[in-house]
Amino acid sequence: AQSVSQHNHHVILSEAASLELGCNYSYGGTVNLFWYVQYPGQHLQLLLKYFSGDPLVKGIKGFEAEFIKSKFSFNLRKPSVQWSDTAEYFCAVNNAGNMLTFGGGTRLMVKP
Amino acid sequence: DAGITQSPRYKITETGRQVTLMCHQTWSHSYMFWYRQDLGHGLRLIYYSAAADITDKGEVPDGYVVSRSKTENFPLTLESATRSQTSVYFCASSEGSITGEKLFFGSGTQLSVL
Repeated sequence: AQSVSQHNHHVILSEAASLELGCNYSYGGTVNLFWYVQYPGQHLQLLLKYFSGDPLVKGIKGFEAEFIKSKFSFNLRKPSVQWSDTAEYFCAVNNAGNMLTFGGGTRLMVKP
Repeated sequence: DAGITQSPRYKITETGRQVTLMCHQTWSHSYMFWYRQDLGHGLRLIYYSAAADITDKGEVPDGYVVSRSKTENFPLTLESATRSQTSVYFCASSEGSITGEKLFFGSGTQLSVL
């Protein structure tokens, strides 16, 4: 069974700092990769996704993620975070025929 | 635009009671899902449904029952609630495949079992 690991459970940053959240998955074949975000008091929403093509994916609100197949990774990045980026971030992976598997989540707090 | 509506928003119940969490979607998406969200575990799939009258188990189905008599409704029932079922429950739907490439989530139900 595939699994998804998010190494950082809690991250605290100051505004304007750069962000990188790690995500690693276990499946060795073709995968689809996602990042979802859950803002305080809100439901999850899709931030970005990768199916194929350019491994550097641009999402909403200035986020991007890079798929590195050799490292089984799909790390989320943002050059300069804002207070409004405070949220919980979930990496998710599926391969053909399997359900979407979520990582444990990373809670990001951005200090103003 | 209603999207996905979950009710109740909060629920407190006692061990052994039956509880039903409701989920209603207005998009006529074929696929619907129930997840539970627990600290450190992320979201885990409980049950999913590909269409009306078609349901299947996810990763953590024990202690739960679902039904899908209509496309727009996908209730989740805890037959005899246990403290380990204290969690936040999210319903989701997808217009794509059963693998749920893009999920639309409801606002969640926070359930406490005492």
